[in-house]
Amino acid sequence: AQSVAQPEDQVNVAEGNPLTVKCTYSVSGNPYLFWYVQYPNRGLQFLLKYITGDNLVKGSYGFEAEFNKSQTSFHLKKPSALVSDSALYFCARGGAGSYQLTFGKGTKLSVIP
Amino acid sequence: NAGVMQNPRHLVRRRGQEARLRCSPMKGHSHVYWYRQLPEEGLKFMVYLQKENIIDESGMPKERFSAEFPKEGPSILRIQQVVRGDSAAYFCASSPPEGRGNEQFFGPGTRLTVL
Repeated sequence: AQSVAQPEDQVNVAEGNPLTVKCTYSVSGNPYLFWYVQYPNRGLQFLLKYITGDNLVKGSYGFEAEFNKSQTSFHLKKPSALVSDSALYFCARGGAGSYQLTFGKGTKLSVIP
Repeated sequence: NAGVMQNPRHLVRRRGQEARLRCSPMKGHSHVYWYRQLPEEGLKFMVYLQKENIIDESGMPKERFSAEFPKEGPSILRIQQVVRGDSAAYFCASSPPEGRGNEQFFGPGTRLTVL
């Protein structure tokens, strides 16, 4: 069965510093990997995805993620955090054999002014 | 282009009542997915539908839950005889029909509270 792990429940970072939100996925076929962000009482907003091609994927709002097959990771990064980046971040995977997305439990990012 | 629309945004039901959640996908999207988010949890897949067809309902509880996506009108997630454990946020997502690599676009969710 497909699974996604987000090992950190919460990440705190100072405004202006680089941020990383970690995600690892189960090894099963060729994964399609996604990052979504959720603001309080809102739905999920798509940030970026990896399907194939370049391992470094650039997405919305200055976020990027690196697909690392050997470490089965897809960490989300941003060079300089903003207070407005504070939200709940979800990593998800799909695959060629399934339409459904499997989500991690989420990581709460707090950017401190 | 309006996004995925869900209504109601908040729904309160007493135990034993029925809950009906509606989802209108984005224009041009023919795939609809329902997910449930429990407090402090990630989203869990429930069901995937195309017009007039249930494609994958592997995440749906076997009893009391049903979903449909008729030829005309929104997709409906129906929960009969609700219990307190059904309290959660229910999200609908849609995607275009071109392939599995497409991201899913999520609605704002319906927050169901069962008293």
